[in-house]
Amino acid sequence: DIRMTQSPASLSASLGETVNIECLASEDIYSDLAWYQQKPGKSPQLLIYNANSLQNGVPSRFSGSGSGTQYSLKINSLQSEDVATYFCQQYNNYPWTFGGGTKLELK
Amino acid sequence: EVQLQESGPGLVKPSQSLSLTCSVTGYSITSNYWGWIRKFPGNKMEWMGYISYSGSTSYNPSLKSRISITRDTSKNQFFLQLNSVTTEDTATYYCARGYYVMDAWGQGASVTVSS
Repeated sequence: DIRMTQSPASLSASLGETVNIECLASEDIYSDLAWYQQKPGKSPQLLIYNANSLQNGVPSRFSGSGSGTQYSLKINSLQSEDVATYFCQQYNNYPWTFGGGTKLELK
Repeated sequence: EVQLQESGPGLVKPSQSLSLTCSVTGYSITSNYWGWIRKFPGNKMEWMGYISYSGSTSYNPSLKSRISITRDTSKNQFFLQLNSVTTEDTATYYCARGYYVMDAWGQGASVTVSS
């Protein structure tokens, strides 16, 4: 199975700040990567697919980048509603696998 | 707008079977792919498997001998059965729509395996 390593496991940031979350795959996943946001008590929501394509309805302050084994999710101008846990998921090789999650809190 | 809702027992005894139902509204399960994903305490997430628009299935090899996903198209529902559960199967179980990525999720069903 492809191992997805997310970092950091948790972070604290201030309103208006820019946040970066990293995801490292154990092998090349050819940009077959998605990012999800899970707010407390809610189900995961798709943010990004194909490493950098924004899902319909997702605010433009979210963006994804990367290639090969290294990917990142960037949140510009952090808002209070962005407090959540973020997961990456690869879909290049069965079985699909997820990163361990990054818990984002407000400072 | 598609909506998914999981239902089933919240407590299952070790060695028994876990059975969950996902009821879908606003979209036919005879289109697209429909899967199950679980989130363990501590945040680890695991893709379990899916059933396709045609009824074909694919499972995570780690579960292949214990898992079955079926459907009832007349009720627009699909089902998860996980056999011979242990305490390590304690998790929140989500049903979701999608093949590569999951673009709609249910609220999740918390299942505890305990005697």
